[in-house]
Amino acid sequence: DGGITQSPKYLFRKEGQNVTLSCEQNLNHDAMYWYRQDPGQGLRLIYYSQIVNDFQKGDIAEGYSVSREKKESFPLTVTSAQKNPTAFYLCASSMLRAADTQYFGPGTRLTVL
Amino acid sequence: AQKVTQAQTEISVVEKEDVTLDCVYETRDTTYYLFWYKQPPSGELVFLIRRNSFDEQNEISGRYSWNFQKSTSSFNFTITASQVVDSAVYFCALSEADISNFGNEKLTFGTGTRLTIIP
Repeated sequence: DGGITQSPKYLFRKEGQNVTLSCEQNLNHDAMYWYRQDPGQGLRLIYYSQIVNDFQKGDIAEGYSVSREKKESFPLTVTSAQKNPTAFYLCASSMLRAADTQYFGPGTRLTVL
Repeated sequence: AQKVTQAQTEISVVEKEDVTLDCVYETRDTTYYLFWYKQPPSGELVFLIRRNSFDEQNEISGRYSWNFQKSTSSFNFTITASQVVDSAVYFCALSEADISNFGNEKLTFGTGTRLTIIP
């Protein structure tokens, strides 16, 4: 089955710790994205990547880092510099065509204790 | 700057009623794309429709239909004969097409409408 997987589904972190969220896709998509969703709000773009070894900051990149070593994988690290990390994180991917549809993974809910 | 407004924060209807979710957008581009996504309680965003700015034909897919009106910058979504499984948060989104840099287009989401279907 083709799709996007994210792990873990739930993640708990102590303040001051870095944590890495996994995102893998087998859709052969070139572009991958990370979004953050807070209660009652829309999705906000954190980082995106169009090709391997290249990525760009989105609207709220501060306190986050990413890597794109493989086409299929786009992990997101939430660092201790992120002031308010508790949120729902969604990964997406798309083809490289004009405003192509982004398909989303099931999400990771991060809670900072 | 592009913007999407979903003024209806929450809607509740009784099962089998029809319901329309409103979406109003702002953009300075002439080429853009509009989307609707469904977010059920599980959290995953499910793609429903993608529409480009040059195609104003209304679309129907089963109980779902979409009305795109450029004159009012609206892209409304109607569910006919609603069912309990339609209960979810629905997001409208807009992307301006950057044909010189595919994958670089920003997808702007509205704040969503929580739809509850009462059995």
